[in-house]
Amino acid sequence: NAGVMQNPRHLVRRRGQEARLRCSPMKGHSHVYWYRQLPEEGLKFMVYLQKENIIDESGMPKERFSAEFPKEGPSILRIQQVVRGDSAAYFCASSPSATGFSYGYTFGSGTRLTVV
Amino acid sequence: KNEVEQSPQNLTAQEGEFITINCSYSVGISALHWLQQHPGGGIVSLFMLSSGKKKHGRLIATINIQEKHSSLHITASHPRDSAVYICAVGRDGGSQGNLIFGKGTKLSVKP
Repeated sequence: NAGVMQNPRHLVRRRGQEARLRCSPMKGHSHVYWYRQLPEEGLKFMVYLQKENIIDESGMPKERFSAEFPKEGPSILRIQQVVRGDSAAYFCASSPSATGFSYGYTFGSGTRLTVV
Repeated sequence: KNEVEQSPQNLTAQEGEFITINCSYSVGISALHWLQQHPGGGIVSLFMLSSGKKKHGRLIATINIQEKHSSLHITASHPRDSAVYICAVGRDGGSQGNLIFGKGTKLSVKP
């Protein structure tokens, strides 16, 4: 029973390129959450998705960032035209249902994005 | 002022010591979470509390809703407890998973 899988673990992009971060939730989990941890700062909520729906994107930057969780396949966090300030660790977590967060959620190991 | 404040920022202890990490928050909450982040970055959920006290092994978490304060205690600390401990709150009325995080307490337990 694999946990939350994030890939790649490390990603290097040049300024202006696109970054795609993938998150496969735990088996049986249909809700995914993305968080960002900037260097020397705390974690910050970005977006909460259910399959084919964005439930809460209040933490997403207004430009260049988007997220999806299709019916089939992993959730994708996409950052267009990356800048140095996007360098951070990006974590996803998953839970089994709309109230499942109260009963248990699991984090992935994160993707470390470095923009050069 | 941050909505979630943790103290201390850094803590060094000798193996076997009793450890307390504090968390204060300034918003109405639906629940408070304690997380552990090891070097290398993996994050583990330790506790979710909305009232009272929870215990798991050598870890104890308490919350005082009236005082908007929570504590995480580690009894008989061990070097493997060395990690960053993070307090996070779910805002009352907010969506699940939309947590406000403290900056973390870095714990180092010396043998």
